[in-house]
Amino acid sequence: QVQLQESGPGLVKPSETLSLTCAVSGYSITSGYYWGWIRQPPGKGLEWIASIYHSGITYYNPSLRSRVTISVDTSKNQFSLKLSSVTAADTAVYYCARVPPDYWGQGALVTVSS
Amino acid sequence: DIVMTQTPLSLSVTPGQPASISCKSSQSLLHSDGKTYLYWYLQKPGQSPQLLIYEASRRFSGVPDRFSGSGSGTDFTLTISRVEAEDVGVYYCMQGIQVWTLGQGTKVEIK
Repeated sequence: QVQLQESGPGLVKPSETLSLTCAVSGYSITSGYYWGWIRQPPGKGLEWIASIYHSGITYYNPSLRSRVTISVDTSKNQFSLKLSSVTAADTAVYYCARVPPDYWGQGALVTVSS
Repeated sequence: DIVMTQTPLSLSVTPGQPASISCKSSQSLLHSDGKTYLYWYLQKPGQSPQLLIYEASRRFSGVPDRFSGSGSGTDFTLTISRVEAEDVGVYYCMQGIQVWTLGQGTKVEIK
């Protein structure tokens, strides 16, 4: 059974960088599929952030591209998200998922506040 | 970006009755590989989204057969043949032929 688990700080200060990691178990990242991040502001809909293949091929949401970096660590079977220069608008539950999104993590709430 | 438009945005259904949700994309989701990159998800309250339908009409493993997807090109429909209480939540369509984008969501509640 494929399982994904997000981890990272739940509180980030404005203008700083949000960093999250998704640990994958039950499936090797190098076996195929893309891996991605999706977020959901409180009470709102889902927004695609970025996705990555184990070889390093990446795709980004154009509206976030300038602030987002997605990376993969095949030795740890995990992938990561960095979002720079955060504001209160970046407060959301951040989900990681295997892409096409069939398996999802439980989500990590990240609040941007001083 | 491909824009995904869902209708209606909310739906109140009597248990045992059918329900359908429409999703229209601003561009065709038919890829040159012959696949249609349209997905349907249900997000139950307090949970992560769960995949219901992939490639427009293929039911994901473990999904009850009362859920079905249809459509092609730019027009798609999710149909629940007989709504049950456990089907409440927000339904999203998502396209994957380009950088992934999602519809606004359709909230389904039970009468």
